[in-house]
Amino acid sequence: ETGVTQTPRHLVMGMTNKKSLKCEQHLGHNAMYWYKQSAKKPLELMFVYNFKEQTENNSVPSRFSPECPNSSHLFLHLHTLQPEDSALYLCASSQVSGGYNEQFFGPGTRLTVL
Amino acid sequence: GQQVMQIPQYQHVQEGEDFTTYCNSSTTLSNIQWYKQRPGGHPVFLIQLVKSGEVKKQKRLTFQFGEAKKNSSLHITATQTTDVGTYFCAGRANAGGTSYGKLTFGQGTILTVHP
Repeated sequence: ETGVTQTPRHLVMGMTNKKSLKCEQHLGHNAMYWYKQSAKKPLELMFVYNFKEQTENNSVPSRFSPECPNSSHLFLHLHTLQPEDSALYLCASSQVSGGYNEQFFGPGTRLTVL
Repeated sequence: GQQVMQIPQYQHVQEGEDFTTYCNSSTTLSNIQWYKQRPGGHPVFLIQLVKSGEVKKQKRLTFQFGEAKKNSSLHITATQTTDVGTYFCAGRANAGGTSYGKLTFGQGTILTVHP
C-alpha cells in the first residue's frame, strides 16, 4: 500500500448528480494532487494543493471543485458532469522540500458518467 | 507550457528481449522521475534523476538523464512478464517558477511481454 487511500473506488453517476471523491494520505506529506487519466491520454494534472493552499488549477471546468480541509484530506466535488468526464481520477501526495517530490498515488476512482 | 514527449507509445517484445523508452522535454528540467503503472493499477514511483548525465540502475532497469537535462531513457534488459505495464516519465521544471512541485507526465509507453 502506498499510504494514499481513495473512496469510492468505482462511481457511476448521471449528468445531473452531485458526488464527491475523497482522498486521504497517511504519509505526513504537505502537498496533494488530483489527476485525470483517460484512455490513451497522459496523466492530466487538475489541481495542486501545497500546505492546504491551492497553487495550481490547470484550466479545469468549474463542474470540478476541489476542497482541501487539511494537509491529509483532499476532496473533488463533482456536479453536472459530462460523459467525456468518465475517467480514472487519481489522487497523489508528496513532500515538497528541496526539490525532491516523489509522488505517491492512490488506487484511483473509476468514474463513469452516463 | 512545458511539454514532455515519450516514445514509443506501444512496445511488444518477446520475453528475454530488451526494451527502451525515451522521454524528451521541451524545456530544461530540474529533475525527471519514472513511474510504472501495472494494468488496472496506479502509477508507482521507480526513480528520480537529478544530475546532468546521471545513470542509475535497478537490477535489470537502467535510467539515464541527458547531458542537457532535456531527455531521459529507461532501458530494461531481458524483459520478463512481470515487466508488463505502462512506463511514464515525469519532468519537473526548474525551481523558482510558480509550479513548485508540479510534474509534467509523458504519455507513457505501454509494454507487453509475450512469454
